[in-house]
Amino acid sequence: QVQLKESGPGLVQPSETLSLTCTVSGFSLTSYSVSWVRQPSGKGPEWMGRMWYDGDTAYNSALKSRLSISRDTSKNQVFLKMNSLQTDDTGTYYCTRDRVLFDYWGQGVMVTVSS
Amino acid sequence: DIQMTQSPPSLSASLGDKVTITCQASQNINKYIAWYQQKPGKAPRLLIRYTSTLESGTPSRFSGSGSGRDYSFSISNVESEDIASYYCLQYDNLPWTFGGGTKLELK
Repeated sequence: QVQLKESGPGLVQPSETLSLTCTVSGFSLTSYSVSWVRQPSGKGPEWMGRMWYDGDTAYNSALKSRLSISRDTSKNQVFLKMNSLQTDDTGTYYCTRDRVLFDYWGQGVMVTVSS
Repeated sequence: DIQMTQSPPSLSASLGDKVTITCQASQNINKYIAWYQQKPGKAPRLLIRYTSTLESGTPSRFSGSGSGRDYSFSISNVESEDIASYYCLQYDNLPWTFGGGTKLELK
């Protein structure tokens, strides 16, 4: 069955870089796209960016200068790196299978930006 | 970016009630709106796509309608398992954008 699982640090210092990994199973990264979506506590989600099935990427313009998404198809993993973190980057980060819409989601990883 | 204005932010309903949530887009989104349900501590779940197409497994008491900039989502005969937050999502123009959410509570 389709599964996605995020991993990474729960606490990041302000101005530091966030690195998250999404490990997928039940589908191929060369057949389906994967998006990262984050959600501040008590607020609506925000689409961050997409790793297309063909290896291309798309980013939310609000985050583009700080964000990088890459993948390792041999390991079924998609990576997120975002630099210059601030306190308003605190929230839950999800990876999702992206078939235009986000149909399968990981459990999410809570990231707190704090010193 | 397209802004999605969702209302109301919260809603109180009794079991069996019909409730309606609205989303207004900042421009025409050509019916490319989806609706998600999110329960506490869980990831969102896709319920409806393209305004009114129910996903497999979505109960028929859920429905959606609208066109242009204005869309609505309804639950008829609210059940206890429907207590959750609901979000609209436009996917007509990148970046896809979500509404601010509606928290449905039991009266």
